[in-house]
Amino acid sequence: DGGITQSPKYLFRKEGQNVTLSCEQNLNHDAMYWYRQDPGQGLRLIYYSQIVNDFQKGDIAEGYSVSREKKESFPLTVTSAQKNPTAFYLCASSIPPGDEQFFGPGTRLTVL
Amino acid sequence: GIQVEQSPPDLILQEGANSTLRCNFSDSVNNLQWFHQNPWGQLINLFYIPSGTKQNGRLSATTVATERYSLLYISSSQTTDSGVYFCAVPRTGGFKTIFGAGTRLFVKA
Repeated sequence: DGGITQSPKYLFRKEGQNVTLSCEQNLNHDAMYWYRQDPGQGLRLIYYSQIVNDFQKGDIAEGYSVSREKKESFPLTVTSAQKNPTAFYLCASSIPPGDEQFFGPGTRLTVL
Repeated sequence: GIQVEQSPPDLILQEGANSTLRCNFSDSVNNLQWFHQNPWGQLINLFYIPSGTKQNGRLSATTVATERYSLLYISSSQTTDSGVYFCAVPRTGGFKTIFGAGTRLFVKA
């Protein structure tokens, strides 16, 4: 069954810690994306990648980092430099960049 | 940059009622998506509709690209239709997607 998986579903972090969110897809999609959603708000783009070994900053990249070493994987690291990291994080992918996007189930990050 | 506005922001329906959600965008687009975010946060693809009309069961969507709007119709609403409905369009010239603020729908039994 093709799809996008994200792990963990819930994540708790102490202030000052870096955490990495996993996103894996087996849809053979070229492009992958990370979005952040705050309560009652829409989605905002953090980073996107059009192809392996390439990625671009979105609208709110400060305090985040990504890598794209494999086509199927696009992990997001939330660093201690991100001042307000508590949010719902969604990963997506599309066949050509900018085309129809499909989303994973999301990770809820809470900073304690 | 391109602006996306959704209306109404909130909507309460009695089960069985029909509704129309609207998405306005400020510039020409070559694709548009409608999503339903369920209470668990999952974004479900409803329509990929750059132009024209599509139907899927009780839901249908129409995009009039020349007039820069899209409509999502929900007929005979059910409680499981509750959640947030988003439209999303790509930014001009790039691969970044911008989402509207969403319409929050609650269907009462």
